[in-house]
Amino acid sequence: AAGVIQSPRHLIKEKRETATLKCYPIPRHDTVYWYQQGPGQDPQFLISFYEKMQSDKGSIPDRFSAQQFSDYHSELNMSSLELGDSALYFCASSSRDRLGTDTQYFGPGTRLTVL
Amino acid sequence: DAKTTQPNSMESNEEEPVHLPCNHSTISGTDYIHWYRQLPSQGPEYVIHGLTSNVNNRMASLAIAEDRKSSTLILHRATLRDAAVYYCILRPQYNYGQNFVFGPGTRLSVLP
Repeated sequence: AAGVIQSPRHLIKEKRETATLKCYPIPRHDTVYWYQQGPGQDPQFLISFYEKMQSDKGSIPDRFSAQQFSDYHSELNMSSLELGDSALYFCASSSRDRLGTDTQYFGPGTRLTVL
Repeated sequence: DAKTTQPNSMESNEEEPVHLPCNHSTISGTDYIHWYRQLPSQGPEYVIHGLTSNVNNRMASLAIAEDRKSSTLILHRATLRDAAVYYCILRPQYNYGQNFVFGPGTRLSVLP
């Protein structure tokens, strides 16, 4: 079965540079979530989109922005990178079920290293 | 969101059953109980979810207390591959696209 695809898998950037992370959800999934996971920490919710509209916002820095496109893929844009942005970034996709809940399926993550 | 409480860590022997508890005394009537796990260096993985009745799937079983203030994830025969951090998460019904809170979960070690 198709899974969530994230690219790139690894990314190395210098401080103050920009980075773009991409997420391709499972076909027919209409919701995308972004999470950040620092070393030894639990995943932290950043932002989510449903049907191309922002659905909820978590602890996402103002330097970061994201959007969901017409084909449902999503991009997380990160500017003025800081050392503390070094982390694993996960994307998850979901669709609602008939019982009123959704199950999130996670991608393999993008490991961002800021030097 | 309602809060969940899990043990920081648990240990099990390979091929034995594992019962991972979760307390959620402030659960509301429309909160689903979800379990995810995260293997080392991988993204979180859906395990199981339920509302009121016990649930079974190919990965695990979910036993929900009658008052819904606690639940237990049951792995019937632990394997080395089950070593992971297990997260118990409450999610209100119809809360699509909303904040999903991980942690802290239970780190399960499986001994050969």
